[in-house]
Order: sequence, then structure tokens, then C-alpha cells
Amino acid sequence: DGGITQSPKYLFRKEGQNVTLSCEQNLNHDAMYWYRQDPGQGLRLIYYSQIVNDFQKGDIAEGYSVSREKKESFPLTVTSAQKNPTAFYLCAARISNTGELFFGEGSRLTVL
Amino acid sequence: AQKVTQAQTEISVVEKEDVTLDCVYETRDTTYYLFWYKQPPSGELVFLIRRNSFDEQNEISGRYSWNFQKSTSSFNFTITASQVVDSAVYFCALLGLYNTDKLIFGTGTRLQVFP
Repeated sequence: DGGITQSPKYLFRKEGQNVTLSCEQNLNHDAMYWYRQDPGQGLRLIYYSQIVNDFQKGDIAEGYSVSREKKESFPLTVTSAQKNPTAFYLCAARISNTGELFFGEGSRLTVL
Repeated sequence: AQKVTQAQTEISVVEKEDVTLDCVYETRDTTYYLFWYKQPPSGELVFLIRRNSFDEQNEISGRYSWNFQKSTSSFNFTITASQVVDSAVYFCALLGLYNTDKLIFGTGTRLQVFP
């Protein structure tokens, strides 16, 4: 099956712990994105990457880190510096320059 | 600055009613794309439509139709004869070609269709 795979789907974390969310794509798209969604709010951009070994901060990058060592993979680490990490996280990959994003099923992170 | 406003937070209708979801956008770009996405309870965002700023033709796809009006900076979405399966959160989004990296989303409209 083609698409974007996020894991885990649900994750619980204690305060002070780092956690890494996985995002893998087999669409061969160059650009990948991480968005955060809070209840009643839209999607806010955390980080994005247009090519391997390069990435840029989005609107709410503080407390997060990413890497892009392979085209297919764009993991997101939620660090202990993120003050309010409980949220729904969505990964996406973009088709060329049309802007159309394809999304994964999301990862729901809960900090206990 | 770019901005997308979906003023309707939640809409409830009864099956078979028509419903229109509003989207108003702001951009300084003369060339841009507008999108609608559907987010069912499962969480994944599903792409519905993309429109570029040079094409103001309305589009119809089955029960779905879109009305793009540059004069009012609006890109409204109408579902005709709504069904329970249409219940979801719908997001309008904007991509300005001056800033091709970021797709800016509205806050979404939750549509509930009751049988």
C-alpha cells in the first residue's frame, strides 16, 4: 500500500521524557511536514523538510526536533522542553509544487 | 500575511439537508492555491479539492460543490443532500506561491449530520 505511515497511533508519556513519533512515506515525495492539532483548533506547522538533510522551523517549533536522514523518513521528537505536548500530531508529504499534502493517520500523544 | 478564516465552528443538520461551509482567506500573493480537507473521526485528513487563483470556475463532484469568488476572497463548500457519513471536521487551507512551503489551515468546521 502506498502512503504515509505514522507510529505509534497512541502514546502516553510521563512529564520530563522525550518521545519520538515516526513518519514514513513511500510516495517518493520530497517535502514532508509535521503539524500539531489541538481540540477546536486548526493545524499548526511544527517543522518541514524539502530535501534530505535539510529542514526548517514552522510556526511552533519550540520544544520539538526533527531529522531527515532519508527521503522516506521524517521523525519528530517531542522534548521535555515542550510545555504542553498533549496533542494530535499529523505528518504529511507534498506533491511537487502544487501544495497538495497527503496525510498520515496521526499520532495522539498524552502526557501524564 | 496569510490567513484562513472559517467562522462556523460547528454546524448541525438533518440528513438530506443542504449545507454550506464558509471559508474566507487573506493573501498578498496574486497566485495561490486553495484546498478543502475532510477529517473524519479516525483523524486522517482526506484531500477533497484544490483550486488555483486563476480558475474561478465552480466545481461539482457528486454531492459536493465549491464556489470560488476572488472578489470576496471566499471559497465556500456546499454538500447537497447531506448524509450521516458526511459528519466530520472540514478544513479550508491556503498556499501562496510566494511562500510555497507552508499550507495554512483554517480552524475547521465540525459538521454533524443527524439521521
